[in-house]
Amino acid sequence: DTGVSQDPRHKITKRGQNVTFRCDPISEHNRLYWYRQTLGQGPEFLTYFQNEAQLEKSRLLSDRFSAERPKGSFSTLEIQRTEQGDSAMYLCASSLAGAVNQPQHFGDGTRLSIL
Amino acid sequence: EDQVTQSPEALRLQEGESSSLNCSYTVSGLRGLFWYRQDPGKGPEFLFTLYSAGEEKEKERLKATLTKKESFLHITAPKPEDSATYLCAVQAPGGSYIPTFGRGTSLIVHP
Repeated sequence: DTGVSQDPRHKITKRGQNVTFRCDPISEHNRLYWYRQTLGQGPEFLTYFQNEAQLEKSRLLSDRFSAERPKGSFSTLEIQRTEQGDSAMYLCASSLAGAVNQPQHFGDGTRLSIL
Repeated sequence: EDQVTQSPEALRLQEGESSSLNCSYTVSGLRGLFWYRQDPGKGPEFLFTLYSAGEEKEKERLKATLTKKESFLHITAPKPEDSATYLCAVQAPGGSYIPTFGRGTSLIVHP
């Protein structure tokens, strides 16, 4: 078990640029989640995949955000035309299918700073 | 809408001074309640899952308990290395598997 891996760990970009983050889940986990976390807040749900299917998206996920999980393995989260308000920690988590109350295991996140 | 409230927001303890963190929730039924620990600049680290009122789980100096409306994370004789933010998340019944997180309690343990 190598844990959930996220890349890059930090990203600094200018407003208006596009950014893409990658998440590699725990290998046997078929559920993958993206969250956003700002200072002093808990993680806020963005979107969720089971295998390659994107099953749920939060109202927080504007049309500038898109996520993919080709072949049901790693996932990418892209933000287009970044805005100041996008500055946050973006967390990825994975879990096992089966019992619905399986805990999520998180990566260490990608910290995005918009200049 | 489901809500999760954690208190206090911040807690400072002396090493060895036991205390409890609270997580209260309003859901129409509970599928599971999760406790996580988060260190600065890191992702949340899973600690416990509780499923039903009366259940208790223990790990080292931590003990989590659950009632019908709240959960407590008891910290016995804490050490400086227990300093972290502790997050609570609840999973409601229905089609979604997505837990709702509270804002967390920031714990600092002074030597």
